[in-house]
Amino acid sequence: KAGVTQTPRYLIKTRGQQVTLSCSPISGHRSVSWYQQTPGQGLQFLFEYFSETQRNKGNFPGRFSGRQFSNSRSEMNVSTLELGDSALYLCASSLVRDSGTTKNIQYFGAGTRLSVL
Amino acid sequence: QKEVEQNSGPLSVPEGAIASLNCTYSDRGSQSFFWYRQYSGKSPELIMSIYSNGDKEDGRFTAQLNKASQYVSLLIRDSQPSDSATYLCAVKRTAGNQFYFGTGTSLTVIP
Repeated sequence: KAGVTQTPRYLIKTRGQQVTLSCSPISGHRSVSWYQQTPGQGLQFLFEYFSETQRNKGNFPGRFSGRQFSNSRSEMNVSTLELGDSALYLCASSLVRDSGTTKNIQYFGAGTRLSVL
Repeated sequence: QKEVEQNSGPLSVPEGAIASLNCTYSDRGSQSFFWYRQYSGKSPELIMSIYSNGDKEDGRFTAQLNKASQYVSLLIRDSQPSDSATYLCAVKRTAGNQFYFGTGTSLTVIP
């Protein structure tokens, strides 16, 4: 069974540009969550999608947005890039949500490393 | 108060020793607890999940959960240099699917 696939793996952009990152979850997984990881802040939650609907949102500005398609694949978009957006962006998928069992385990993709110059 | 707190370390142990990693969480209603390992430059990979009080063992790893004291720990027996990584504690509340991560504990196993 294929794992979580994120594309592209690396991106270099300049300030003011926008970027779109893609995430394909594990087959059958319906929940997709996005995180930003930086050395100083650790893993910061961006948002979660389930059944094409955003269910949770972290404390990030509106420049960060996302969506989920009917096949559970998800994209996140960052507009008007800032230097501080340089980070590793991680996508994680889980089978279900609201569960106290192993079905809620989040599995991570390899991430997209974004550098903003 | 942070949702999940871990000692950032670094924690150094000799090869073959037991490494003990600790994590506390603030929401008493949390139901699911996880330990992830992250090698430098890589993404987090799940080591253990635990849902009820007590110990859960998987090979050299043992997760311990105490909901009354709101802490979860990870013991690594017979530590190996390949265990050198950052260990992330994650907690999920009863409702919703948001995971709260600690900032991680850096572990170095010295040969």
